[in-house]
Amino acid sequence: AQSVTQLDSQVPVFEEAPVELRCNYSSSVSVYLFWYVQYPNQGLQLLLKYLSGSTLVKGINGFEAEFNKSQTSFHLRKPSVHISDTAEYFCAVSEGKNSGYSTLTFGKGTMLLVSP
Amino acid sequence: NAGVTQTPKFQVLKTGQSMTLQCAQDMNHNSMYWYRQDPGMGLRLIYYSASEGTTDKGEVPNGYNVSRLNKREFSLRLESAAPSQTSVYFCASSEGLTDTQYFGPGTRLTVL
Repeated sequence: AQSVTQLDSQVPVFEEAPVELRCNYSSSVSVYLFWYVQYPNQGLQLLLKYLSGSTLVKGINGFEAEFNKSQTSFHLRKPSVHISDTAEYFCAVSEGKNSGYSTLTFGKGTMLLVSP
Repeated sequence: NAGVTQTPKFQVLKTGQSMTLQCAQDMNHNSMYWYRQDPGMGLRLIYYSASEGTTDKGEVPNGYNVSRLNKREFSLRLESAAPSQTSVYFCASSEGLTDTQYFGPGTRLTVL
C-alpha cells in the first residue's frame, strides 16, 4: 500500500528566502506524484505533478519539485518566497490502476509560514 | 465554468441527525471523490466513483453512504451523525488515471 510522509508539519521562513518542503513516499509499484496547495478557507489546487519523463518538474507560482526514485522523495522548492505563499502544502501519491481511475493518498500537510 | 461546487458551505447537526452533502462538477469528468480533512491528518478518502454507476469505498467509509446520481453529481450522506464526523468535507473530480483532481470549496460540518 502507498503512503506519504511529509517530514515537517510547519516551516517558518522569511520573505525572499528559499524554501524546501520535504516529501517521501512508499510504494511497491510505479507512482504518480503531486503537490497541492491550500490557501486559508479554500479547497486544494494543483501546484505540479510528476507522471513520467524529466525528474525536475516545474509548477505554478515559481515552485518546482524533483522526483528521486532511489530516495523515494519528491521535495518541493522555491528559490524566493513571498508573503502570499503562506498556505498549507500537501504531497500526494497515486499508484497506477488498470480500470481507469486513480485514488490519491495525501500526506498530512506542511504549513508554510512566510513572514516579512 | 464553476468547476466543482458543493452545498452547503456550513452545517451544524445534532448527534443522530442525518444530512446529505451535494457535489456537482461541470467539467464532464468521469471520476468523483469525497474526502474529509481533519487537523494534522491531511485528506482521507471516504468514497469515490470511478465512473457513472459505480462507487467504491475509500480509506474511511464507515458512517457514510454515497450516490452517483449522474455524471455531474455525487452526493455524500450521513445517516446518523456522530461528533467524530465533525470535519471539513471536500468533493473532487478528475478525468482519468493521471489527471489532476479538481476540488470544491468544502463543507464545514459540526456535529454536536
